[in-house]
Amino acid sequence: RKEVEQDPGPFNVPEGATVAFNCTYSNSASQSFFWYRQDCRKEPKLLMSVYSSGNEDGRFTAQLNRASQYISLLIRDSKLSDSATYLCVVEKIGSARQLTFGSGTQLTVLP
Amino acid sequence: EPEVTQTPSHQVTQMGQEVILRCVPISNHLYFYWYRQILGQKVEFLVSFYNNEISEKSEIFDDQFSVERPDGSNFTLKIRSTKLEDSAMYFCASSEVEDSGGGETQYFGPGTRLLVL
Repeated sequence: RKEVEQDPGPFNVPEGATVAFNCTYSNSASQSFFWYRQDCRKEPKLLMSVYSSGNEDGRFTAQLNRASQYISLLIRDSKLSDSATYLCVVEKIGSARQLTFGSGTQLTVLP
Repeated sequence: EPEVTQTPSHQVTQMGQEVILRCVPISNHLYFYWYRQILGQKVEFLVSFYNNEISEKSEIFDDQFSVERPDGSNFTLKIRSTKLEDSAMYFCASSEVEDSGGGETQYFGPGTRLLVL
């Protein structure tokens, strides 16, 4: 089983749509969770950390279910500029901050 | 806004040659990392570095690779005797020491695209 698994997509949605991405992780010792976005041929950039209680940042909402080892990202009112690959990222306890990346979910927002 | 910088942006080398990839982490950060991303694949951890020594390294980071903090600002990745399969984008990242409990944010540089011919 992959350490961090995501639906690769692609997701093609119209502007203004709501889109949800899911991610599962295999190591129950995982400590910290993040969503990064990566534009084509660019570096990963932190979108948001994911907390156990769930958290929201503007149009973006992240949820964590430790029992199911499941992370989600919801994007509301999607914009053209949201087009990117969304990376689910996990950090293990005692791992000297090693990040484990999923393969990413590609999103294209269409006009 | 402070950022991680990397040089060169692109490097082409012949198989068997040595390359040095350079990074300048964010100035008050004390943890440094190298990751790589082969074209079309996921980002993979190579090594983390703290207090002038390697904290952790992955299976990819074998004897062919080494890291160094030669001065107060630079952090380098050396790849000896490059192989075709070393062709990838190499990202440097850095983070602060203090962990607020929500995980320590790692900030990534723009990457060096390495092509081994």
